[in-house]
Amino acid sequence: EAGVAQSPRYKIIEKRQSVAFWCNPISGHATLYWYQQILGQGPKLLIQFQNNGVVDDSQLPKDRFSAERLKGVDSTLKIQPAKLEDSAVYLCASRNQANYGYTFGSGTRLTVV
Amino acid sequence: SQQGEEDPQALSIQEGENATMNCSYKTSINNLQWYRQNSGRGLVHLILIRSNEREKHSGRLRVTLDTSKKSSSLLITASRAADTASYFCAMNYGGSQGNLIFGKGTKLSVKP
Repeated sequence: EAGVAQSPRYKIIEKRQSVAFWCNPISGHATLYWYQQILGQGPKLLIQFQNNGVVDDSQLPKDRFSAERLKGVDSTLKIQPAKLEDSAVYLCASRNQANYGYTFGSGTRLTVV
Repeated sequence: SQQGEEDPQALSIQEGENATMNCSYKTSINNLQWYRQNSGRGLVHLILIRSNEREKHSGRLRVTLDTSKKSSSLLITASRAADTASYFCAMNYGGSQGNLIFGKGTKLSVKP
């Protein structure tokens, strides 16, 4: 099966600019996650979708981050305006309801200067 | 915080040796998973062990879980240079949400 697709692979922006990331999960995976991974740390959950509904966004900085999953398939994560501390790799993952293993995309490496 | 702690933070071994990484967590889990991450890449799911299991094997990987000590270990036998990566444990604290909380990882270097 095809993996989780993410784009862009890399992004460099200036602080206060906005940026958007895109994720296409594995076909048929109802659950989709966005994680933020700061260099040298483990991934931190930002938001979880079940189909097109939000299940958990308790750790999403809602003053600047937003995410949507229209039609329960693709998802976009937006940051507006970006801060220096948002520099990280943004990972998208999806999960089959039938098992617990996550499949991760290759991530988008964001650098805010 | 429900985040796990891995030990050691970094491990350097020679090819052919075994590598053991440990993970401790704080509250009861539904299952615990191990992931590998090569530099600059996404995470790859290695193995999942449920709270009622004590040991699982997958190829050269052996995972143990001690719920009384709230700890798990990942053993890689007969390591290869290609095993060089960061390894993360991730805890599923149950419920229908199935969220994973990741530890900080162990950076493994296998020298040829």
